[in-house]
Amino acid sequence: AQKVTQAQTEISVVEKEDVTLDCVYETRDTTYYLFWYKQPPSGELVFLIRRNSFDEQNEISGRYSWNFQKSTSSFNFTITASQVVDSAVYFCALKGGGATNKLIFGTGTLLAVQP
Amino acid sequence: DGGITQSPKYLFRKEGQNVTLSCEQNLNHDAMYWYRQDPGQGLRLIYYSQIVNDFQKGDIAEGYSVSREKKESFPLTVTSAQKNPTAFYLCASSKGTGGLSNTGELFFGEGSRLTVL
Repeated sequence: AQKVTQAQTEISVVEKEDVTLDCVYETRDTTYYLFWYKQPPSGELVFLIRRNSFDEQNEISGRYSWNFQKSTSSFNFTITASQVVDSAVYFCALKGGGATNKLIFGTGTLLAVQP
Repeated sequence: DGGITQSPKYLFRKEGQNVTLSCEQNLNHDAMYWYRQDPGQGLRLIYYSQIVNDFQKGDIAEGYSVSREKKESFPLTVTSAQKNPTAFYLCASSKGTGGLSNTGELFFGEGSRLTVL
């Protein structure tokens, strides 16, 4: 079975703090893909990053960085110097190597960045 | 601009009524999906379609129906058989239909919030 766990339901930080959102996944597939999406108050999910199971290199994009560790089945997301505009619900998702693009989503983490 | 359009944004329904949520995309994507979002439960897949005139049940298809008569359109009907229909519904599309050679991410609409009175 495939599963994504985001244990942090809500996180509140003050602007300029660094924050890490945790994601742990379960899959028996040897090839799989992991995603992070952002859901602002408008409701639309916005794609942030995709990582495949063969690429464990960490990725940095501006203030965002992702740490993928197969040994611990984790794909954590860090926001450096958080800003109020980062306030949103963040979802981690998993896609197996099957014949569809179906994604299995975690329950999401609500990030509130206070000014 | 290319994207996914969902309508209506807000919808109220009386118990026992069927309602249809619209989803249109102009991205020329092959696959389309419907997800349901409830507080604390993340997104759960209702139905998906990889090609016109074909669709598959997701994890929570009971009480819902869909059609895919056109590539651009994937409407979702919430029937009276759905016992707890109040939720936020998200439609998505992807360029390909999956497989090891296709890792296309999902593109989402802005969602439709359904409330049963």
